[in-house]
Amino acid sequence: QKEVEQNSGPLSVPEGAIASLNCTYSDRGSQSFFWYRQYSGKSPELIMSIYSNGDKEDGRFTAQLNKASQYVSLLIRDSQPSDSATYLCAVPGGGGADGLTFGKGTHLIIQP
Amino acid sequence: DAMVIQNPRYQVTQFGKPVTLSCSQTLNHNVMYWYQQKSSQAPKLLFHYYDKDFNNEADTPDNFQSRRPNTSFCFLDIRSPGLGDAAMYLCATSRVGGGLDTQYFGPGTRLTVL
Repeated sequence: QKEVEQNSGPLSVPEGAIASLNCTYSDRGSQSFFWYRQYSGKSPELIMSIYSNGDKEDGRFTAQLNKASQYVSLLIRDSQPSDSATYLCAVPGGGGADGLTFGKGTHLIIQP
Repeated sequence: DAMVIQNPRYQVTQFGKPVTLSCSQTLNHNVMYWYQQKSSQAPKLLFHYYDKDFNNEADTPDNFQSRRPNTSFCFLDIRSPGLGDAAMYLCATSRVGGGLDTQYFGPGTRLTVL
């Protein structure tokens, strides 16, 4: 049974600062990692995917992967109030499932 | 340009009264998934179809069934909803499976059981 752990928060960050979201996973064999953003009452929306060790940047977002430490993070630069949401970390499911195993998410609040 | 469409967006049913939720996609993706998300919890995979091949998660209750009559449509049937089945039901699609491809989510159907 794959597990994905996230600090549920809330994580409060001033507007314009860097928000850092962390995720650990249990399965060393995981090859792909996804960050989804979910606004209250809405469905998850993909922010970033990362497959290789190191950093991947897309606009204000940077995903960082360290497979040796089984750790993946998401950095949001120049945080905006519109970034306030729950951020879900996900890895491909175990037991032959093709679906995703999600963490419970980190609730991020950007303070104006 | 809606790509994954779910109907209805809100569904109210009575305890024990069967309900069907609908999902359609314009992406021509091979894989379609159904997730259940309860309040303040992570989405939980119920089952998925790879083309016509149905894959049920081991802990998905028998009360939940699914149909995929063609590539574009997939249905979630809840035969006898209980109060504990109140949740957001999310449909997602991906081009390929194995966790190698991005999953695109529909807007969800929020189910209320009275």
